[in-house]
Order: sequence, then structure tokens, then C-alpha cells
Amino acid sequence: ELKVEQNPLFLSMQEGKNYTIYCNYSTTSDRLYWYRQDPGKSLESLFVLLSNGAVKQEGRLMASLDTKARLSTLHITAAVHDLSATYFCAVAPPRGNAGNMLTFGGGTRLMVKP
Amino acid sequence: EPEVTQTPSHQVTQMGQEVILRCVPISNHLYFYWYRQILGQKVEFLVSFYNNEISEKSEIFDDQFSVERPDGSNFTLKIRSTKLEDSAMYFCASRSWGAPTNEKLFFGSGTQLSVL
Repeated sequence: ELKVEQNPLFLSMQEGKNYTIYCNYSTTSDRLYWYRQDPGKSLESLFVLLSNGAVKQEGRLMASLDTKARLSTLHITAAVHDLSATYFCAVAPPRGNAGNMLTFGGGTRLMVKP
Repeated sequence: EPEVTQTPSHQVTQMGQEVILRCVPISNHLYFYWYRQILGQKVEFLVSFYNNEISEKSEIFDDQFSVERPDGSNFTLKIRSTKLEDSAMYFCASRSWGAPTNEKLFFGSGTQLSVL
């Protein structure tokens, strides 16, 4: 059974600071996703990571994937208040086109304070 | 950007009643999914649907649940006899064909189901 663990579960940070959210998963996978969720809203796709060593950046967010360590990171650079949200990683099992049966981590609730 | 549309946004029902949650996936997408999120908890996979049949389902998706694509645009989730523990936000999602370039999964805005 695939298990996905995120840490921290809650992160309060000052504007301008850097921080990293970690996502560990328990079995082999070659597809990892990061989503953002604002309160009461849907899941917004941030990144899709499809290979070992993949690194993607969008604005102040950068995601990376190490399939050997079964670890993905979401790095926040110079945080701003608008980044306050809950961030989820999700992992798909290594199968063909059959599925996106994503297993989600528990989420990291990020609060960026002025 | 194209969107997955879900209706209704909120549904209140009595325990034991049937509910149908509706979704209109993005028009050229071929894979369809239902996920749910109980308040404050993880997002959980329910079912995936491709080529007019279920391709995967989780343990949550028991005999009380069913999915259907009645026409070329709608994708529905039916719960036959709702229980209190079915109260959750239900998300529909879809994606296009082919990997790896079409791996992105698009989620709808959700239907908040409250079972009283």
C-alpha cells in the first residue's frame, strides 16, 4: 500500500523567509504532483514531476523529485502572504496509462505573516 | 484555461436518501475521476473511469456508490443510500490521453455534501 507523508503539517512563517515542505512516499513511483488548496476551494495543480531529478519552478515555488530517496520537496523562496494556503503532494503508482489513482499526503497548511 | 464543472456546489440530504453529484469534465478529456475530502482530512481517491467503465476503485467505493457517463458530456456519482459518514467535499477530475505530456489532472470546484 502506497503511503504518503508530508511534513510539516503546519507552517507559520514570516514574509521574506525561505522554507521547504517535504513529501515522502513508501513505494516506487515516477509521478508526483503538488497541489494548492485555498480554504473551501478546489485543488489547483502546481507541478507535475515525472522523472528522477526533475526540478520545476514557478514564481517563488520550486519543486523537485528524488525517486531513489522517494522524496519530493517544495521550496518557498521569500514568502509572501498570497502563498498562504494548504499544499498537498500526491503520488501515483508506477503503472501505464491506466491510472491517476493518486494517494495524497496529509497536506501542509502554510500561513505567511506580514 | 478549460474547467471541470460540478453541480450542485452544496447538497444537503437526509440519511438514507439517494444523491447524484454531477460533473462536466473538460471536453477532450478521456479519463474521469471522483475524489472526496472529509473536512480537515486528506483527499481520498474513490474511482476512475475510462472508456465507459470503471478502471480503478478504492475500498471506499462500495456497492452504495456508482458512476455513469450518461451522455458525451456529463459524469455522475450516485450514492444510493447516504450515511452520515458520506458527508464530505466531492471532487470530480479529468485528464486527457497519453503520457507523459498529459499527466495533469484538472479538478472541479467540488460539491459539499452534508448528510443529516
